[in-house]
Amino acid sequence: EAQVTQNPRYLITVTGKKLTVTCSQNMNHEYMSWYRQDPGLGLRQIYYSMNVEVTDKGDVPEGYKVSRKEKRNFPLILESPSPNQTSLYFCASSLMGKSGANVLTFGAGSRLTVL
Amino acid sequence: AQSVAQPEDQVNVAEGNPLTVKCTYSVSGNPYLFWYVQYPNRGLQFLLKYITGDNLVKGSYGFEAEFNKSQTSFHLKKPSALVSDSALYFCAVRDLDTGRRALTFGSGTRLQVQP
Repeated sequence: EAQVTQNPRYLITVTGKKLTVTCSQNMNHEYMSWYRQDPGLGLRQIYYSMNVEVTDKGDVPEGYKVSRKEKRNFPLILESPSPNQTSLYFCASSLMGKSGANVLTFGAGSRLTVL
Repeated sequence: AQSVAQPEDQVNVAEGNPLTVKCTYSVSGNPYLFWYVQYPNRGLQFLLKYITGDNLVKGSYGFEAEFNKSQTSFHLKKPSALVSDSALYFCAVRDLDTGRRALTFGSGTRLQVQP
């Protein structure tokens, strides 16, 4: 089944304790992206990647890191989490294409609470 | 800059009645427009998109949307609502002419269909 898999789905952690949220897709998609969803703000893009070893900042990259060493994986790293990073996080992927009309496939989400 | 507005936080409709979820957008060039739906504890799922051509776009689950360039709107509609349509709906836009890859999402509209 074509899917984007995120882990963990739920995580409670404390301020300053490094954590990684993994994301993996099995569709051979070039484009991958991380979003955070907060009430009243919709989804905001954190980082994206257009291919292996190519990453770039989205709208809200502060406090996050990413890497793209393999095509299928795009982990999100919080080096020193803070309470304002408490949120629902989504990974998404798509083919690149030239037209920009490609549809994103989303993971099920990872709910992170930072105490 | 590209932006999307969903003016209603929640829309309530009785089962069997028509529904409309509103979306307006702002781009400097030509838009690609998308609707996604989020069911509880799930990731976002693609419903439909407008690229070019016919202003009335048909999508999954009986939904359709009408692109109106003069009003910069892309409202989501369904002739007869089902209780199972209750979910969170997001409108999103990508500005073709800037070449920016990111989708900008609206803040979401919660649709509640009463039996």
